[in-house]
Amino acid sequence: DAGVIQSPRHEVTEMGQEVTLRCKPISGHDYLFWYRQTMMRGLELLIYFNNNVPIDDSGMPEDRFSAKMPNASFSTLKIQPSEPRDSAVYFCASSSTGGLNTEAFFGQGTRLTVV
Amino acid sequence: DQQVKQNSPSLSVQEGRISILNCDYTNSMFDYFLWYKKYPAEGPTFLISISSIKDKNEDGRFTVFLNKSAKHLSLHIVPSQPGDSAVYFCAASEDYNQGGKLIFGQGTELSVKP
Repeated sequence: DAGVIQSPRHEVTEMGQEVTLRCKPISGHDYLFWYRQTMMRGLELLIYFNNNVPIDDSGMPEDRFSAKMPNASFSTLKIQPSEPRDSAVYFCASSSTGGLNTEAFFGQGTRLTVV
Repeated sequence: DQQVKQNSPSLSVQEGRISILNCDYTNSMFDYFLWYKKYPAEGPTFLISISSIKDKNEDGRFTVFLNKSAKHLSLHIVPSQPGDSAVYFCAASEDYNQGGKLIFGQGTELSVKP
């Protein structure tokens, strides 16, 4: 398996524009997580899904942020409108329940810069 | 309120010696602990984990120790190698089956010098 795939790797956008980040989890994993890394707050969980259903979005900072998982192999994180303080690295991760190993596998991240 | 703390932002060790990275937590509901390693411009990579029913888990050069009474865990790397130079994150979960629902520490940057 190629692992968790995120696109784009880098995104530069102007304040007020809509930004969409994409994620393809590892095949067979039933959990998908969106994390954000900033200097101030470190790595923090934004939202996670189980079997494509959002379970906990309490980490989403504002209503400008939304996430969807239309099927088991694809998820998006959207910011509309974007603001400079949204600049961060956004990671997607996936994991599998049960069995011996339930740790999360992370993608390479999307570095978002809002100017 | 930081539930997982890594109080040392950086650590420098000589190649071949032991590296000890420390982590403290405050939430007694945590029952699964993980260490991730991160290189620049890459995502965190899982290294080793430990369940709260154990006090030690070993995998090759990496050993994680858990002291529940002190709410403290540590990662030992023996012997340290230059390729181990990276940022190490301690993470905790309240549910083993949700191994990706994690609270992360701030990270410790390890530098292993030849």
